[in-house]
Amino acid sequence: QKEVEQDPGPLSVPEGAIVSLNCTYSNSAFQYFMWYRQYSRKGPELLMYTYSSGNKEDGRFTAQVDKSSKYISLFIRDSQPSDSATYLCAMTGTGRRALTFGSGTRLQVQP
Amino acid sequence: DTAVSQTPKYLVTQMGNDKSIKCEQNLGHDTMYWYKQDSKKFLKIMFSYNNKELIINETVPNRFSPKSPDKAHLNLHINSLELGDSAVYFCASSQVIGSGETQYFGPGTRLLVL
Repeated sequence: QKEVEQDPGPLSVPEGAIVSLNCTYSNSAFQYFMWYRQYSRKGPELLMYTYSSGNKEDGRFTAQVDKSSKYISLFIRDSQPSDSATYLCAMTGTGRRALTFGSGTRLQVQP
Repeated sequence: DTAVSQTPKYLVTQMGNDKSIKCEQNLGHDTMYWYKQDSKKFLKIMFSYNNKELIINETVPNRFSPKSPDKAHLNLHINSLELGDSAVYFCASSQVIGSGETQYFGPGTRLLVL
């Protein structure tokens, strides 16, 4: 079993929809959670960074962490065609030195 | 200004050849990484250097050898290339080791071994 599980999609939504992307993980040592966006043929780009449980909002993006359930989410409001990309969750813990990534969810926002 | 840059962007080569990929960051970060992304988009850590010292060396064939001439550069040399080495290789950098740091990625090097 992988340490981080993420539905690969593809997830197709109409423009303006609210998108929910999720990851589950098994390692309770993870405390720092990130979401990266990766456009086709580009490197991952950091979108959101959250420490421990709770919510964080940045514009149209909201990241949620529920450590008790080992579940993290990224919500995108008013989705745009330019949001079409692969979204990767990543996490690490105190003393760990590298990020553990999910396999990514491919999102397509239809105009 | 490009924060993390890699060369070359594309690399097509024959099995058995030796090749190198170079990475440079101008962010002043202390730690640099090499990740491999397979055809299913799964990103996996290979190596990490902090101030030119190797701190992570995952289960990677010893045909792969990283070299860090200074903290702004981390190169990856691959000997005796195999078909299974075909992937996208990403360099990344971060400021703090371990907890709390965020990593910034380069554009990737697409390696195809024929």
